[in-house]
Amino acid sequence: QVQLQESGPGLVKPSQTLSLTCTVSGGPISSGGHYWSWIRQHPGKGLEWIGYIYDRGSTYYNPSLKSRITISLDTSKNQFSLKLSSMTVADTAVYYCARGDPTGGWIDPWGQGTLVTVSS
Amino acid sequence: QSALTQPPSASGSPGQSVTISCTGTSSDVGGYTYVSWYQQHPGKAPKLMIYEVTKRPSGVPDRFSGSKSGNTASLTVSGLQAEDEADYYCSSYGGSNLYVFGTGTKVTVL
Repeated sequence: QVQLQESGPGLVKPSQTLSLTCTVSGGPISSGGHYWSWIRQHPGKGLEWIGYIYDRGSTYYNPSLKSRITISLDTSKNQFSLKLSSMTVADTAVYYCARGDPTGGWIDPWGQGTLVTVSS
Repeated sequence: QSALTQPPSASGSPGQSVTISCTGTSSDVGGYTYVSWYQQHPGKAPKLMIYEVTKRPSGVPDRFSGSKSGNTASLTVSGLQAEDEADYYCSSYGGSNLYVFGTGTKVTVL
């Protein structure tokens, strides 16, 4: 059973770059034809898709965030990562990593989420 | 790409049914069968409830069902139970390798 766990700083200063890592257990990240996603949820708000990376390395980003995002894969560690630059208070949110299925577009499973607060 | 439109809230008494709509366009909901639904309890991660419009993952009660007509997808919860009280989000493929979520609906069991 595949499980995902986010890790990274809970507090980031404005203008800094956020770096989050998602560790995948229960199966190799590089097989199965899945994609690996980052999704966020602002406090009390809905879900926002950030972007994803295929197990072959192709990346697709939310156009509204594209200029600030980098998603990468580390198959040797069975991890994938998110970098979000030029952070502002508007980026304060719970960040989730999750596995996606390209044939059906569904997302499952999800990590438990990690709260990132942007504050000086 | 704009968020899919869901009603902010829906409610029903135990045992009743509630249906949540998810309205998009012909470029997302109406154009593909890649609509999924997620249940989120407070402080928890979302959970997949329906995928590919009508399919239920293993372990999801058959009280949950999905459908689609034109640019609107729907999630119906029959025989409402207290544990069904949660936020529900739809999601759709939007073409060009992009995905979009709905605005979310809070379901209250009266």
